[in-house]
Amino acid sequence: DIQMTQSPSSLSASVGDRVTITCRASQDISNFLAWYQQKPGKVPKLLISAASTLQSGVPSRFSGSGSGTDFTLTISSLQPEDVATYYCQKYINAPKTFGGGTKVEIK
Amino acid sequence: EVQLVESGGGLVQPGGSLRLSCAASGFTFNNYAFNWVRQAPGKGLEWVSFITAGSTSIFYADSVEGRFSISRDDAKNSLYLQMNSLRDGDTAVYYCARDRAGGSFDIWGQGTMVTVSS
Repeated sequence: DIQMTQSPSSLSASVGDRVTITCRASQDISNFLAWYQQKPGKVPKLLISAASTLQSGVPSRFSGSGSGTDFTLTISSLQPEDVATYYCQKYINAPKTFGGGTKVEIK
Repeated sequence: EVQLVESGGGLVQPGGSLRLSCAASGFTFNNYAFNWVRQAPGKGLEWVSFITAGSTSIFYADSVEGRFSISRDDAKNSLYLQMNSLRDGDTAVYYCARDRAGGSFDIWGQGTMVTVSS
């Protein structure tokens, strides 16, 4: 099975900082990669599909890139409401594995 | 409003069984595939199972294969997860999630808590 590895597992940044989260697949998954945001005590929310397609209503400070095995989620200017855990997920086939998550906090 | 609502969680002893339900509304249920995803307390997301529209294909995570069974009733707009031989490690919030065409999970329920403990 394909493994999904996220880094870092946690980060602390200041409001306005550029934040980058990395996700690596153990095999080529083309662009079948999604990013989810889970705020504390809340349900996961789809942010990005197909590696770089922003979902409707998601702020434009979020962006995704990558293809094959290496992907990134970027928050161009971190806001207090972005405090959350972010998960990547591969969905090219089952099992639809999630990465371990990256917890983002405000410094 | 597009919505998924899970039910059926609770406290069960190790070795016991539980059946989770997920009621859908606000969209054409039988056009979509669905998933179950779980999250143990303080842990990350774990994909559990997937069922296609028409129940033509079904998949399970290795951790639940042979113990869990996913099904759907399109007439009732409902998704189910039958969980047997439950273990301590199955303790988690269980979410149902709609599988959007293409495969990402665009709609999630609020989750139902399953606690396996003696």
